[in-house]
Amino acid sequence: QKEVEQNSGPLSVPEGAIASLNCTYSDRGSQSFFWYRQYSGKSPELIMSIYSNGDKEDGRFTAQLNKASQYVSLLIRDSQPSDSATYLCAVSYTGNQFYFGTGTSLTVIP
Amino acid sequence: GAVVSQHPSWVICKSGTSVKIECRSLDFQATTMFWYRQFPKQSLMLMATSNEGSKATYEQGVEKDKFLINHASLTLSTLTVTSAHPEDSSFYICSQRGLAGNEQFFGPGTRLTVL
Repeated sequence: QKEVEQNSGPLSVPEGAIASLNCTYSDRGSQSFFWYRQYSGKSPELIMSIYSNGDKEDGRFTAQLNKASQYVSLLIRDSQPSDSATYLCAVSYTGNQFYFGTGTSLTVIP
Repeated sequence: GAVVSQHPSWVICKSGTSVKIECRSLDFQATTMFWYRQFPKQSLMLMATSNEGSKATYEQGVEKDKFLINHASLTLSTLTVTSAHPEDSSFYICSQRGLAGNEQFFGPGTRLTVL
């Protein structure tokens, strides 16, 4: 059973702060890792993908991957109220099958 | 990325009726598309993988006779919920891989309510 675990939250941060979202996965053979943002009532939107150990930065977002610890995180710098959403971690082993965590709810307080 | 559309965006139907949901790839041909279901406060669960020109591959526990998938062209996959019941009420979302092949991009979703 391939499992993806996330803290459900809710996570609240003040505007301008750094939000840190964490995800662990069970399958050491996992090759691809993704963060999606899902606003209430909407479908998920891809934010970041990461495939190798280390950090990957895109604007205010930084994804961090540590395969030895089976851990992937997402940092959101200078958090904005528009970042308030549920963030889904997804892990893929074969490229077809995506395994999703249950999501972390983030609220950015103005 | 990939641009995916779905129709309808929401549907309300009576118990026992069938509902068809369309998923279209708007920017390039997709030999494979994916159908997910999401219940409130839960994560996405893959229902099936739709393959153009061949039978869909269903995940364990998903009834293939109840959730009929047709992928007759490279830009269109349909999901038909047959004899829908209130427990089928959910958010149905399709996706396709991007050109790079690793990422998945989702359609806007269809909210089904069965009375």
